[in-house]
Amino acid sequence: GAGVSQSPSNKVTEKGKDVELRCDPISGHTALYWYRQSLGQGLEFLIYFQGNSAPDKSGLPSDRFSAERTGGSVSTLTIQRTQQEDSAVYLCASSPLGETQYFGPGTRLLVL
Amino acid sequence: GNSVTQMEGPVTLSEEAFLTINCTYTATGYPSLFWYVQYPGEGLQLLLKATKADDKGSNKGFEATYRKETTSFHLEKGSVQVSDSAVYFCALSERLGGAQKLVFGQGTRLTINP
Repeated sequence: GAGVSQSPSNKVTEKGKDVELRCDPISGHTALYWYRQSLGQGLEFLIYFQGNSAPDKSGLPSDRFSAERTGGSVSTLTIQRTQQEDSAVYLCASSPLGETQYFGPGTRLLVL
Repeated sequence: GNSVTQMEGPVTLSEEAFLTINCTYTATGYPSLFWYVQYPGEGLQLLLKATKADDKGSNKGFEATYRKETTSFHLEKGSVQVSDSAVYFCALSERLGGAQKLVFGQGTRLTINP
C-alpha cells in the first residue's frame, strides 16, 4: 500500500516568510509524528498527534512552530517568520498506536 | 533524559568485510531499541528492532542484540555489500502516552567500496 507522503519535497524561502509543510500518513495509522533532521542537531522530535487528542508539542523549538492534524489524517507543520537556523529536512512518520513508525521522504527546507 | 550514542563516522570498508557499528544508550526503564537506515536520496527505513533484553533483531543480514547489562545495541553484518552504503541511525523509544517518541543517535555514514 501507499506509504507516508510529504509535500513539497523541497522548499526554498526567504528569511521572515511563513512556510507550510504537509504530511499524508498511512491510512489507518492513528499516531503521527514530526521530526527534524539538521546538520547541527541530528534527528530531533518536534511534535506528536494521537487520534483526536491534543498534540504533544514538547519538542517544538520555538513558538514560531505549530502543527495541526485535520480529521485525524493529514497534518500540516507551519513555521512562521522563518530563520536560517530552520533550514533542515522535516520528516513525518506515522504508526498504529504504540507500533513501529514509518517515515516519509521528508521536506528539505532552505531558508535564505 | 534519555539519549543514544553511536560511533562516529564516516566508516569506509571493502566489500565482504565485517561490519560493527557501536550504539549505547541511557534510559530510564527498558525502552525498545531500533536501527534505521537512510539510503542516498531516500527516507528513513526501519532496519531492525528489539523490544526487550536479550532479544536479537535481524534483517537483510544485519543483526543487533539488546544488551541490558552493557546498555548497548551494536549493529553487525558478516559480509557487507556496496548496496549497504547508507547512513545508519540507532534509536530508542520513549513512551508518550500510548505512543512512542524516538530518540536518535547522531547517525553513522557507511561507505562500502567494491
